Amino acid sequence: QKEVEQNSGPLSVPEGAIASLNCTYSDRVSQSFFWYRQYSGKSPELIMSIYSNGDKEDGRFTAQLNKASQYVSLLIRDSQPSDSATYLCAVGVYNFNKFYFGSGTKLNVKP
Amino acid sequence: DGGITQSPKYLFRKEGQNVTLSCEQNLNHDAMYWYRQDPGQGLRLIYYSQIVNDFQKGDIAEGYSVSREKKESFPLTVTSAQKNPTAFYLCASSLTPGTRNQPQHFGDGTRLSIL
Repeated sequence: QKEVEQNSGPLSVPEGAIASLNCTYSDRVSQSFFWYRQYSGKSPELIMSIYSNGDKEDGRFTAQLNKASQYVSLLIRDSQPSDSATYLCAVGVYNFNKFYFGSGTKLNVKP
Repeated sequence: DGGITQSPKYLFRKEGQNVTLSCEQNLNHDAMYWYRQDPGQGLRLIYYSQIVNDFQKGDIAEGYSVSREKKESFPLTVTSAQKNPTAFYLCASSLTPGTRNQPQHFGDGTRLSIL
């Protein structure tokens, strides 16, 4: 079992809709959670981080964390074609100095 | 501006040749990492270093070597033993290992191809 699991997609949503990206993790001592956006041919860019259960909002992005269910998600409101990218979920386990990446979900936002 | 600089952006390797990818950071980060990404795939950890003069193998270290003589620099050598080196190579860094809530930050990457 992989430490971080994501649906590879592609996830297709129409412009203006809400895109929902999901990630599950296996290590119960995971402490920090991050979402990266990676455009085709480019390097990953950090867009959200969350450390406590609940929601964290930043502009059109909302990260949601549920440690009991070992689940973290990213919601993108009012999706734009420029949001089309691969989104990587990452998990930090600092007691053991480990950092795990999921394989990413490809998002297509159709005009 | 603080950041991570990788060079070159594109690199071509001949059969039997060793090539070195440069990674320099001015973020004063202690930890540095090298990842390999194949088309349509996730990131795979090659090597990482938590402190100067020390480094550890990641999941796919065979055919690669690294050094960490300075805090700012973590070059990766792709040796001739790596039979399938064509990939996108990403260097990352983070603050002190074991520090909570510290993400990894990435350079722009080096795309390596075989001639």
